[in-house]
Amino acid sequence: DAEITQSPRHKITETGRQVTLACHQTWNHNNMFWYRQDLGHGLRLIHYSYGVQDTNKGEVSDGYSVSRSNTEDLPLTLESAASSQTSVYFCASSAGRETTGELFFGEGSRLTVL
Amino acid sequence: DQQVKQNSPSLSVQEGRISILNCDYTNSMFDYFLWYKKYPAEGPTFLISISSIKDKNEDGRFTVFLNKSAKHLSLHIVPSQPGDSAVYFCAATREKLTFGTGTRLTIIP
Repeated sequence: DAEITQSPRHKITETGRQVTLACHQTWNHNNMFWYRQDLGHGLRLIHYSYGVQDTNKGEVSDGYSVSRSNTEDLPLTLESAASSQTSVYFCASSAGRETTGELFFGEGSRLTVL
Repeated sequence: DQQVKQNSPSLSVQEGRISILNCDYTNSMFDYFLWYKKYPAEGPTFLISISSIKDKNEDGRFTVFLNKSAKHLSLHIVPSQPGDSAVYFCAATREKLTFGTGTRLTIIP
């Protein structure tokens, strides 16, 4: 069965360290997204990609970067982790554009920045 | 500026009764609305959606109602079952998907 997987599921790091969260999907979807979930804010879009070599900023992109070198993977990098980036991160993918909004989510990566 | 709002952080309902989850939005340009369900330690999963040209959509026990004049969306679950206990997110889209803050639904056996 096609799926979307995230790793690591849990990560503890220190302020200032670089962290990369991996996302791999086998749906062969063109569109991939990274969200963060925080209490009181719901899910907020960090970055997204509509295909290989395409990346775009979402509403909370400061301090994060992504790259898309193939269809299956969209790693999320925190260049210099900050305590404000402690959160649960979800990767998602979709076949079509967000206009129909049906996304397939991974199980999440819980990041703690000390 | 929260364009999609779920004003009830939590809701408890007896098993077998109706659960009604509410969502308000401010952007009249939204043209598609969705509900996602999330269990602990899992990612959200798509539940049901509705286009702005409709006012109701049903799928089994789940019905979504859209009142465009009031900019209000609701999800009805009838009858409620223990497995429905989860966090429910409403979302709206024009070109980008915007999520609400979520409502934790607890079904009491």
